[in-house]
Amino acid sequence: DGGITQSPKYLFRKEGQNVTLSCEQNLNHDAMYWYRQDPGQGLRLIYYSQIVNDFQKGDIAEGYSVSREKKESFPLTVTSAQKNPTAFYLCASGGAGSTGELFFGEGSRLTVL
Amino acid sequence: GENVEQHPSTLSVQEGDSAVIKCTYSDSASNYFPWYKQELGKRPQLIIDIRSNVGEKKDQRIAVTLNKTAKHFSLHITETQPEDSAVYFCAASGSARQLTFGSGTQLTVLP
Repeated sequence: DGGITQSPKYLFRKEGQNVTLSCEQNLNHDAMYWYRQDPGQGLRLIYYSQIVNDFQKGDIAEGYSVSREKKESFPLTVTSAQKNPTAFYLCASGGAGSTGELFFGEGSRLTVL
Repeated sequence: GENVEQHPSTLSVQEGDSAVIKCTYSDSASNYFPWYKQELGKRPQLIIDIRSNVGEKKDQRIAVTLNKTAKHFSLHITETQPEDSAVYFCAASGSARQLTFGSGTQLTVLP
């Protein structure tokens, strides 16, 4: 069953801790993206990667880090430097260049206690 | 970079009426304009898209129009049904070839 899988679905973190959100796709897409969704603010781009071993900062990259060691995987680390990390995080994949359809995962909801 | 503004933020319509959601964008180099629907607790899914070389596209009850001169595009839903209730996002693909999303419209179709 092809698609994009995020885990965990829910995550709780204490202040000062780093957490890593997993994103895996088996759609053979070159491009992968991480978005943050907050109420009333739409989807804001954190990081994106157009090809393995390469990634670029999006609009709100501060306090986040990513890696792209494999085509299928694009994990996001929310570091302790992110001042307001409580949010819903969406991973997406698409054809190279992002001028086509994006396929989203089901999201990961992070709550900082 | 690209900036996309979306209005209204909430919209309520009676079942069977039409709904219109409007977006404006800033980057004249943008050439791809998709619309995504996100039902409560679910992932966003593409419902329709349009490229800059056409002015209108229809798919059954939904349509999108694009005015490149004015840099705005709109989503039209006719004969609305309760299952159309969701959050709708517009987006534009700017010169960096990455999507910038609007802030979303919560559409409620009243029975």
